[in-house]
Amino acid sequence: DAKTTQPTSMDCAEGRAANLPCNHSTISGNEYVYWYRQIHSQGPQYIIHGLKNNETNEMASLIITEDRKSSTLILPHATLRDTAVYYCIVRVGGYSGAGSYQLTFGKGTKLSVIP
Amino acid sequence: DTGVSQNPRHKITKRGQNVTFRCDPISEHNRLYWYRQTLGQGPEFLTYFQNEAQLEKSRLLSDRFSAERPKGSFSTLEIQRTEQGDSAMYLCASSAAGAMNTEAFFGQGTRLTVV
Repeated sequence: DAKTTQPTSMDCAEGRAANLPCNHSTISGNEYVYWYRQIHSQGPQYIIHGLKNNETNEMASLIITEDRKSSTLILPHATLRDTAVYYCIVRVGGYSGAGSYQLTFGKGTKLSVIP
Repeated sequence: DTGVSQNPRHKITKRGQNVTFRCDPISEHNRLYWYRQTLGQGPEFLTYFQNEAQLEKSRLLSDRFSAERPKGSFSTLEIQRTEQGDSAMYLCASSAAGAMNTEAFFGQGTRLTVV
């Protein structure tokens, strides 16, 4: 799986949009971008994933650049409960593909939402 | 609660003792994963089951680590002759197979402290 690079930490004011960047310059054509987050003392929580189109769900939006070498996770109105470590993961797609079962986590970005 | 359940949540053991952790996945999920997370690091993949078959175990940290999923439902992770370096959070996750890119749902983990 391709390696990802994320800033170690970020701050965001409560109520503002949080924009979390991720670089994945070696991503392959069949690799998807996944985002998970981990609130202190809990297991990771799935947020969103995408291949090349922008995606949006009830939690966040995912913007993937046209060359797919980077992406941004957007939390539109950050709350204190969004304080967590956010992991960007690149993974081969397909339920039977090699490595499709495994998530390779880096150290992620620690997002602190400030009142 | 229909999420992934892990027991116990915390375990303190003396060095050299054996420990066993249990994971109950989401009932309709046939894929089950074990991860380990040490302080300040992202989760690290250990092993993977599809139904009762353990399809990947090469990432288990040593031969002291073993996992089972005898009936394709709950799973256990055993660590024999524990060492202080085994102190970590052990996370279980499950997902459904047969569809593209189904996300993994994590439990809250078992925190092991070896003294």
